[in-house]
Amino acid sequence: AQSVAQPEDQVNVAEGNPLTVKCTYSVSGNPYLFWYVQYPNRGLQFLLKYITGDNLVKGSYGFEAEFNKSQTSFHLKKPSALVSDSALYFCAVRDVGNTPLVFGKGTRLSVIA
Amino acid sequence: EPEVTQTPSHQVTQMGQEVILRCVPISNHLYFYWYRQILGQKVEFLVSFYNNEISEKSEIFDDQFSVERPDGSNFTLKIRSTKLEDSAMYFCASSDSQPSTEQYFGPGTRLTVT
Repeated sequence: AQSVAQPEDQVNVAEGNPLTVKCTYSVSGNPYLFWYVQYPNRGLQFLLKYITGDNLVKGSYGFEAEFNKSQTSFHLKKPSALVSDSALYFCAVRDVGNTPLVFGKGTRLSVIA
Repeated sequence: EPEVTQTPSHQVTQMGQEVILRCVPISNHLYFYWYRQILGQKVEFLVSFYNNEISEKSEIFDDQFSVERPDGSNFTLKIRSTKLEDSAMYFCASSDSQPSTEQYFGPGTRLTVT
């Protein structure tokens, strides 16, 4: 069965500093990996995905994520954090040929001015 | 930019009552999903729907739940007899293909069962 772990409930970072939100996964085959962001009273917004190809994928709002097969990780990164990046971030995985997304429990990012 | 919409944004109901949550997926999408998020917990898959039938469902999606696409635009989730533990945020999502395409989520319906 697929699973996703987000080891940090909360990440605090100063505005302008780089940020990392961690995610590790477990699937039986090749993973399809996704990051979503949830702002208060809003739905989940797609940020980026890894399907195949380059291990570094770029997404919306300056975010990027690095796929590391040996460490089964897909950490979300941004070189310079903004206060407006403060939100709840979810990592998700689906297996090849499988329909549902399996989500991590989420990491709350707080960017302090 | 096209988006998934959901109504109502908040529904309060008494235990044992039936509720219908409504979703309008993105118009050219073919796959539809319901997920739920109990307060403070992770987002959980309920059911997926393709070609007018359920393609996959989780163990949460028991006989109290049903889904329907009554016309060309709406996608509904019905809970026949609500329980207190059904209180959650329910998200509808759609995608144009699978498995590699991202799913687009609606803003959610907060269901409160009293």
